[in-house]
Amino acid sequence: AQSVTQLDSHVSVSEGTPVLLRCNYSSSYSPSLFWYVQHPNKGLQLLLKYTSAATLVKGINGFEAEFKKSETSFHLTKPSAHMSDAAEYFCVVSDRAGGGADGLTFGKGTHLIIQP
Amino acid sequence: DAGVTQSPTHLIKTRGQQVTLRCSPKSGHDTVSWYQQALGQGPQFIFQYYEEEERQRGNFPDRFSGHQFPNYSSELNVNALLLGDSALYLCASSLVGEWNSPLHFGNGTRLTVT
Repeated sequence: AQSVTQLDSHVSVSEGTPVLLRCNYSSSYSPSLFWYVQHPNKGLQLLLKYTSAATLVKGINGFEAEFKKSETSFHLTKPSAHMSDAAEYFCVVSDRAGGGADGLTFGKGTHLIIQP
Repeated sequence: DAGVTQSPTHLIKTRGQQVTLRCSPKSGHDTVSWYQQALGQGPQFIFQYYEEEERQRGNFPDRFSGHQFPNYSSELNVNALLLGDSALYLCASSLVGEWNSPLHFGNGTRLTVT
C-alpha cells in the first residue's frame, strides 16, 4: 500500500523568498515520487520526478526536491518565488511493484500563495 | 506534437442521467488512465486501459466504466449520476513498459451534476 501526506494545505510566501512544500510518503516498495503542479482550470504538469537515481532532483522552473529515505520525505523547494508559481502542488507516489506509473496516489495538495 | 486532449471541457447533467467523457492520448502513447478530482482534493485513480482492456482499477463503483479504442483513445462512462460525481475528470496517457515515466495529463472535463 502507498500513501502521501502533504503537511501543509496552504503556504504563503513573499515574491523573491524561498519556497518549501513538505511531503511525506509511505510505500511498501522502493517508490517513484513526483511533484505535479496544477494552475487554475488546467490539467497537471510534471515538475520533477525521483526514480532511484540521484536523491536531489532538479525540475522545471527552478524547483528541486530531495528524496530522504530515512525520513520518508520528498520536500519541494525553490530558492526564489515568482508570482507565476502561485498554483496547487501535488506530491505523488507510485509503488514500483504495482507497475510504476499505474495508479498513482496523490496527496491532497498544497495551495501556494505568492504575496507581492 | 499534440498532447492529451479531452472533450467536452464542461458538462452539466441531472441526477440519474448517464455521461460519456472522451480522451485522446498524447501521440505515441498507448495507455490511458482516468482520474477523478473532487473540489479541493487530489486526483483519485479510477482505472487504466491498455490494449483495449481495463488493466487496473481504483476504488470506484461499477457505475464507472470505460473503453479504449484501437487508436488508443478512450471513453469514461458514468451511469446513474449522483451529486457526488461532480468533479474534474482527468485523463492521462503514458507508454506501457516505461513504468517510471510520468503521466501526461489533459486539462480535464468539469462535470456538474444537479
